[in-house]
Amino acid sequence: ILNVEQSPQSLHVQEGDSTNFTCSFPSSNFYALHWYRWETAKSPEALFVMTLNGDEKKKGRISATLNTKEGYSYLYIKGSQPEDSATYLCASNYGQNFVFGPGTRLSVLP
Amino acid sequence: EAGVAQSPRYKIIEKRQSVAFWCNPISGHATLYWYQQILGQGPKLLIQFQNNGVVDDSQLPKDRFSAERLKGVDSTLKIQPAKLEDSAVYLCASSLGLGGRTEAFFGQGTRLTVV
Repeated sequence: ILNVEQSPQSLHVQEGDSTNFTCSFPSSNFYALHWYRWETAKSPEALFVMTLNGDEKKKGRISATLNTKEGYSYLYIKGSQPEDSATYLCASNYGQNFVFGPGTRLSVLP
Repeated sequence: EAGVAQSPRYKIIEKRQSVAFWCNPISGHATLYWYQQILGQGPKLLIQFQNNGVVDDSQLPKDRFSAERLKGVDSTLKIQPAKLEDSAVYLCASSLGLGGRTEAFFGQGTRLTVV
């Protein structure tokens, strides 16, 4: 079973700050990388599914990049808002399903 | 489009008791997953169904956990008997296809506390 790591474990930023965090995964036999946002008491929500090296995806103030050769993905949030407070999970493929990282817990302080 | 439904939302049981969770996936989604998320860790796959067949149950503790997906739609996950270390959030997810490039949609989860 592959090991997916995320850093930092938790992060506190001020409203308006931009931030980023990292997902690391084994680069061999890469298939896909998923990012999810999980707000307390809600369902994890898919943000991006990324498959191509060098891919960059954007949704509003959130964007993500992918480097499959070195095995990492960055998630960026521009101008953080309190509603961005959540746990951000990445998941990489393992056979026909995915293995999740432990998540980065983001708190945006007003 | 209705999302993935799970029940109950919360459950507290004593160790050695039994518990069952229910999941109704998005209509038309062939693949259904059960994940266990222990505090501080990422979700861990317990079992994956494709229609009503099991694709992967390698991480399911089969001595106490069981799952079924009758008629390829709803699914139940059972723990019998429960242990303290089973305290976790149990997430159900579904996806249209099979494979890691297909987005999965999650339910809100069932938070189980074993005392």
